[in-house]
Amino acid sequence: EVQLVESGGALAQPGGSLRLSCIASGFTFSTYAMSWVRQAPGKGPEWVSYIRSDSKTIYYADSVKGRFTTSRDNARNSLYLQMNGLRAEDTAVYFCARDYDGWGDSLDHWGQGTLVTVSS
Amino acid sequence: QAVLTQPASLSASPGASASLTCTLRSGINVDSYMIYWYQQKPGSPPQYLLRYKSDSDKKQGSGVPSRFSGSKDASANAGILLISGLQSEDEGDYYCMTWHSSAWVFGGGTKLTVL
Repeated sequence: EVQLVESGGALAQPGGSLRLSCIASGFTFSTYAMSWVRQAPGKGPEWVSYIRSDSKTIYYADSVKGRFTTSRDNARNSLYLQMNGLRAEDTAVYFCARDYDGWGDSLDHWGQGTLVTVSS
Repeated sequence: QAVLTQPASLSASPGASASLTCTLRSGINVDSYMIYWYQQKPGSPPQYLLRYKSDSDKKQGSGVPSRFSGSKDASANAGILLISGLQSEDEGDYYCMTWHSSAWVFGGGTKLTVL
């Protein structure tokens, strides 16, 4: 069974930093791309970042480019999102989701999410 | 103008069919895009339903009932999620998604009410 478990969400101050983690199990993590998606309270999902299975290609949404960094450790079946320069508008539940290097059933499995709140 | 536009809400009766549309921005041709569909219920992450580009390039999500199907309306430049034989458990928010300019883009979502 595919499982994705996020952690690291917390209350942070504007301008602060957080590091989110996502631990994967139930599939061969090293052969799949991954994405981060966030969802602000009462809003729809917003894609944040994509990382290819070998980390050689990483994409970011314009809203986080230059502030967030996505990485992965295939030996640890782990995905990370380093969030710097946090803003109030970054407040959301952050999900990791399984993705594909090429065309596939993208975002076919999601974690339960971790809540990030940015407020002074 | 958003890349993907969905009507905010839709109501339908149990047993009926519901057609949820996802309209692509003018200048972006739906024929060239794979459209993904997700269902979300309160307190849960989105769940993958299916993807559709053409009748020869489509895939149902694992365990997703066949009464959920995808199609396109080229004249409206839109992707469509058709749900037949509506059940009360189909109530929820539905989101379309596509890959555009090196980014996943979601539509704003349609809240489906079955009553």
